[in-house]
Amino acid sequence: QKEVEQDPGPLSVPEGAIVSLNCTYSNSAFQYFMWYRQYSRKGPELLMYTYSSGNKEDGRFTAQVDKSSKYISLFIRDSQPSDSATYLCAMIASYGQNFVFGPGTRLSVLP
Amino acid sequence: ETGVTQSPTHLIKTRGQQVTLRCSSQSGHNTVSWYQQALGQGPQFIFQYYREEENGRGNFPPRFSGLQFPNYSSELNVNALELDDSALYLCASSLEAGSRSEQYFGPGTRLTVT
Repeated sequence: QKEVEQDPGPLSVPEGAIVSLNCTYSNSAFQYFMWYRQYSRKGPELLMYTYSSGNKEDGRFTAQVDKSSKYISLFIRDSQPSDSATYLCAMIASYGQNFVFGPGTRLSVLP
Repeated sequence: ETGVTQSPTHLIKTRGQQVTLRCSSQSGHNTVSWYQQALGQGPQFIFQYYREEENGRGNFPPRFSGLQFPNYSSELNVNALELDDSALYLCASSLEAGSRSEQYFGPGTRLTVT
């Protein structure tokens, strides 16, 4: 079992839809959780950074962390064609030096 | 734009050769981490440098080595290149080492080994 799992997609939605992206993980030591967006042939761009369980909202993006279920989510409201990208979740233990990434979910928002 | 720059953008090398990739961290950041991202995969941690010292290493062989300079820029060196080393190499800079510091990525260097 991989440490961080993510449905690779591709996930196709119509413009304006609410998108739900998810990751599961196995290491209960993970405390900090990130979501990155990566356009084709570009570096990952940090979208959200959360600590422990709970919700965090930033514009059209909401990140949720459920540590009891080892499950994190990213919701995108009013999705736009410019949101078409690969979304990577990443996480790190409080004592860790490196982030552990999921394989990414490819999202396509159709106009 | 994160302010993290990498060079070169693309590189083609032959198996057995050596390569050096470069990264300039964001202003004020003293920590640089290097990742390898194979096609269709998430980034895999290679190592991290904090104030010119290696501060953690992933599951990569010793032919992957690095350096950090007093201005906190960094190099990744790979010796005896193998076909499987073909990937996007990403560096990420952060304000400090450790889990509480967000990492900001550069655009990457795409390495092709033939």
